[in-house]
Amino acid sequence: DAKTTQPNSMESNEEEPVHLPCNHSTISGTDYIHWYRQLPSQGPEYVIHGLTSNVNNRMASLAIAEDRKSSTLILHRATLRDAAVYYCILRRNTGANSKLTFGKGITLSVRP
Amino acid sequence: GAVVSQHPSRVICKSGTSVKIECRSLDFQATTMFWYRQFPKQSLMLMATSNEGSKATYEQGVEKDKFLINHASLTLSTLTVTSAHPEDSSFYICSARTGRNTEAFFGQGTRLTVV
Repeated sequence: DAKTTQPNSMESNEEEPVHLPCNHSTISGTDYIHWYRQLPSQGPEYVIHGLTSNVNNRMASLAIAEDRKSSTLILHRATLRDAAVYYCILRRNTGANSKLTFGKGITLSVRP
Repeated sequence: GAVVSQHPSRVICKSGTSVKIECRSLDFQATTMFWYRQFPKQSLMLMATSNEGSKATYEQGVEKDKFLINHASLTLSTLTVTSAHPEDSSFYICSARTGRNTEAFFGQGTRLTVV
């Protein structure tokens, strides 16, 4: 599976935008870029995913580089409840059993 | 979004006993379910993939006789930790998908402590 690289941690201020980077230089043409987050003592939660074009939903935006070798998850206004571990994952679009392989993720802290 | 419910959320058992964890998709039919394990301050590690009505596929290094997975219906999968030992203490999380190109929905996790 193609690998992703994320910084270990990031700090942000409440109500400010947050940009979480992810590098995936070995991405293949059929890999979707997925983001999940995990709050303490909970299961992960889906955030957003995309293939080539930038994506927006109620939680976040996903900006994908033109060469697809990197992407950025954007939280437009961070809240204290956004403090979590954010995982950038590549998922191959093949077969019903295509799995999510979690890396270490990036720990986001939000300062009041 | 879709809801995946795990039960129990927390369990303490004695060493040598077996524990069953249930994972239910409440408002959709899950063709595929996944079981993960997460040790403190570590990431999720995939244990196995199960499809309704067929045998689970286990990841390398996961003992299938120790971690029994049953996916008898499109809304229920169970993980049984047999002859549990303290080193099996962990956070177990299930995940379900409706189809091939959909996002995964996760249960809230089960904290297993073996004493």
